[in-house]
Amino acid sequence: QIVLTQSPAIMSASLGEEITLTCSASSSVSYMHWYQQKSGTSPKLLIYSTSNLASGVPSRFSGSGSGTFYSLTISSVEAEDAADYYCHQWSSWTFGGGTKLEIK
Amino acid sequence: EVKLVESGGGLVQPGGSLRLSCATSGFTFTDYYMSWVRQPPGKALEWLGFIRNKANGYTTEYSASVKGRFTISRDNSQSILYLQMNTLRAEDSATYYCARDTSDYGGYYAMDYWGQGTSVTVSS
Repeated sequence: QIVLTQSPAIMSASLGEEITLTCSASSSVSYMHWYQQKSGTSPKLLIYSTSNLASGVPSRFSGSGSGTFYSLTISSVEAEDAADYYCHQWSSWTFGGGTKLEIK
Repeated sequence: EVKLVESGGGLVQPGGSLRLSCATSGFTFTDYYMSWVRQPPGKALEWLGFIRNKANGYTTEYSASVKGRFTISRDNSQSILYLQMNTLRAEDSATYYCARDTSDYGGYYAMDYWGQGTSVTVSS
């Protein structure tokens, strides 16, 4: 079973800062999805197939990666980006442990 | 508009059973795989399993943590997804989500629509 490890577990960022969240897979995978979950709500598909923005997602979000290392970047953090972010590999039936993004 | 609405959560004693429902609308239910995902309070998402679509015979897959205790089924005439949970334990306490699975995202399956979740508490 593939394990997805996200880091950091908690990230604190200032408005306008560029940040990168990472997801490491225990074995090589072909793609990664990313979900955003704001407090008290259900997860929302953010990025699919490694680098494609889901419908309605702002262009400040981007994804990249291959093999065992994937990342999610926010180019200029906004207050509304405060949320938990999960990487997800459907084929492996697994989610990462999540990164909590806090805004300073 | 695609909608998924879970129901059936509540308080249940250890060893008890519960059946969750996920009423769907806005899409052709039989065309889609459907998943159940749970999230214990303050913890990460955990995929429980999924049921395939009509083209793939409505077969099911389960995570090791619930295999043999949980059963996923679907009523295709009413577009409802079910999760039957038996022999419940305290560690099954969580918010349970249903989600629609689709391969419309770069050829890989993803969960593109989620319900609002229903809360299950297992406690005496």
